[in-house]
Amino acid sequence: KNEVEQSPQNLTAQEGEFITINCSYSVGISALHWLQQHPGGGIVSLFMLSSGKKKHGRLIATINIQEKHSSLHITASHPRDSAVYICAVNRLETSGSRLTFGEGTQLTVNP
Amino acid sequence: ETGVTQTPRHLVMGMTNKKSLKCEQHLGHNAMYWYKQSAKKPLELMFVYNFKEQTENNSVPSRFSPECPNSSHLFLHLHTLQPEDSALYLCASSQDQRDPWTEAFFGQGTRLTVV
Repeated sequence: KNEVEQSPQNLTAQEGEFITINCSYSVGISALHWLQQHPGGGIVSLFMLSSGKKKHGRLIATINIQEKHSSLHITASHPRDSAVYICAVNRLETSGSRLTFGEGTQLTVNP
Repeated sequence: ETGVTQTPRHLVMGMTNKKSLKCEQHLGHNAMYWYKQSAKKPLELMFVYNFKEQTENNSVPSRFSPECPNSSHLFLHLHTLQPEDSALYLCASSQDQRDPWTEAFFGQGTRLTVV
């Protein structure tokens, strides 16, 4: 069992829909990251958070430390949001900026 | 553009070849990382360098040999690879490996195919 689990693995939505991607982890963490990977392969950091909620444009990330759970929401989804979304954590036991990754969620938004 | 540049973007090599992957960043970061991403699997950390010193080797086979001549450049030397080594190899950098609050910046990756 992975230490970082994401659901769903694949998600298809229609343009304009509200999207939620979930991440659960089983280890103590200092921070959680949401990353976006486009088909070309490059990865971009979307959020880094350790508590509460962060918002950037149409993206919202929340984390519940007690429940070891985080969600990434996309409002008014658009085809350009199609990508793989990856949850990653900084584990307390390894310290530093070393990341442990989930398997990713493939999101496809159809026009 | 994240500020981390990897070359080449695509590489096809035979099992007896020797090749190198290059990663370059001019973000002033001191930590650099090699990750392997195989199909349907999470990213796997391979190596970490912090201030030019290797701080982590995640049980990587010796056919992968990293080199970090300075804080801005990171290489991954490849020799006698196997077909199962075919994957996307991603480089990343951050300010300091010891700081959990530092954001990591990733390159575009090198898509490696071993034939």
